[in-house]
Amino acid sequence: KAGVTQTPRYLIKTRGQQVTLSCSPISGHRSVSWYQQTPGQGLQFLFEYFSETQRNKGNFPGRFSGRQFSNSRSEMNVSTLELGDSALYLCASSPLRNTEAFFGQGTRLTVV
Amino acid sequence: GIQVEQSPPDLILQEGANSTLRCNFSDSVNNLQWFHQNPWGQLINLFYIPSGTKQNGRLSATTVATERYSLLYISSSQTTDSGVYFCAVEAYNNNDMRFGAGTRLTVKP
Repeated sequence: KAGVTQTPRYLIKTRGQQVTLSCSPISGHRSVSWYQQTPGQGLQFLFEYFSETQRNKGNFPGRFSGRQFSNSRSEMNVSTLELGDSALYLCASSPLRNTEAFFGQGTRLTVV
Repeated sequence: GIQVEQSPPDLILQEGANSTLRCNFSDSVNNLQWFHQNPWGQLINLFYIPSGTKQNGRLSATTVATERYSLLYISSSQTTDSGVYFCAVEAYNNNDMRFGAGTRLTVKP
């Protein structure tokens, strides 16, 4: 069974631009969560989607948004990029909510 | 929200030594996982262990939910065990996974 797939793996953007990251969960998994990892703040929860609905959101500004499609694939979008948005963005999928989570390889975003 | 503390923050071992990593959490949880982050950033699942004890080869883990802590044991460590180990929990009243700051393990040959 294929694992969680995140695309792209690496991305360089300029301040003020917007970016979209993609996450394809493990087949059959319905819950997708997103996390941001930075050296200063560690791993922080961004949001969780289940059955195409955002169920939970972390403490991030409105520039961070996401969605989930009917096939459980998810995208997250960051608008008006800031230098501080440079981070490793990780996606996790779970069969259901509150069950074991499996992570993708991440997307490393650099904002210059 | 729930607080997660991992100790020690850094650990240096000689190959072959054993180690114990600890994770304390501040509230009741319905989900606890241990991960190893590889050099490329991916979080590798080690254990899904909201309670009880599990073993997988040289690794084992124990969670005592009533006392709000979990332990990860690594026996006969190898250089490939090096990396950062994270504990992550989900509280009963919330569905976001909270991570500890991690334990950075270095195993020297």
